[in-house]
Amino acid sequence: DGGITQSPKYLFRKEGQNVTLSCEQNLNHDAMYWYRQDPGQGLRLIYYSQIVNDFQKGDIAEGYSVSREKKESFPLTVTSAQKNPTAFYLCASSMKQGTEAFFGQGTRLTVV
Amino acid sequence: QKEVEQNSGPLSVPEGAIASLNCTYSDRGSQSFFWYRQYSGKSPELIMFIYSNGDKEDGRFTAQLNKASQYVSLLIRDSQPSDSATYLCAVNTWNAGNMLTFGGGTRLMVKP
Repeated sequence: DGGITQSPKYLFRKEGQNVTLSCEQNLNHDAMYWYRQDPGQGLRLIYYSQIVNDFQKGDIAEGYSVSREKKESFPLTVTSAQKNPTAFYLCASSMKQGTEAFFGQGTRLTVV
Repeated sequence: QKEVEQNSGPLSVPEGAIASLNCTYSDRGSQSFFWYRQYSGKSPELIMFIYSNGDKEDGRFTAQLNKASQYVSLLIRDSQPSDSATYLCAVNTWNAGNMLTFGGGTRLMVKP
């Protein structure tokens, strides 16, 4: 089945710890995105990538890092510099930037 | 000014009625418009997209686009309780690198 897979579904982070969220797609899409959603809020763009080995900061990139070494994979690291990381993180992909995007099932990150 | 605006709701309609969800956008160069449905705790799923002025119908859903007024809407006919969700409008925004910019979403409640 084609789709976007995020893991884990739930993640707990201790203060000062870095954690990495996985996102894999087998749709052969060029563009991939990471969004953050806080309760009752819309989606805010963290990072995006149009092509392998290239990525750009979105609106709220501080405290996050990404890599795009393979077309299929776009992992997001939430670093200790992100002071309020508790949120719902959504990975998406699209054929090209600006076309319809499809989402993974999301990762809910909680700081403990 | 927010680039994509939606009334947060909740919009409450009785079962069987028509639900009308509205979205305005600021970038006159926008070409592509998308509606997503998001159930509580889940990721957004694409319902429809529209590129041209006028109406586009898909089952019980109709998207309406008026580029002159910078306005896009989603009509849901014969609303069902299962339609209760948050509906997100997304617009490709040329002045932001052809990214999809999301509105904050409108929460729809369909009462039996």
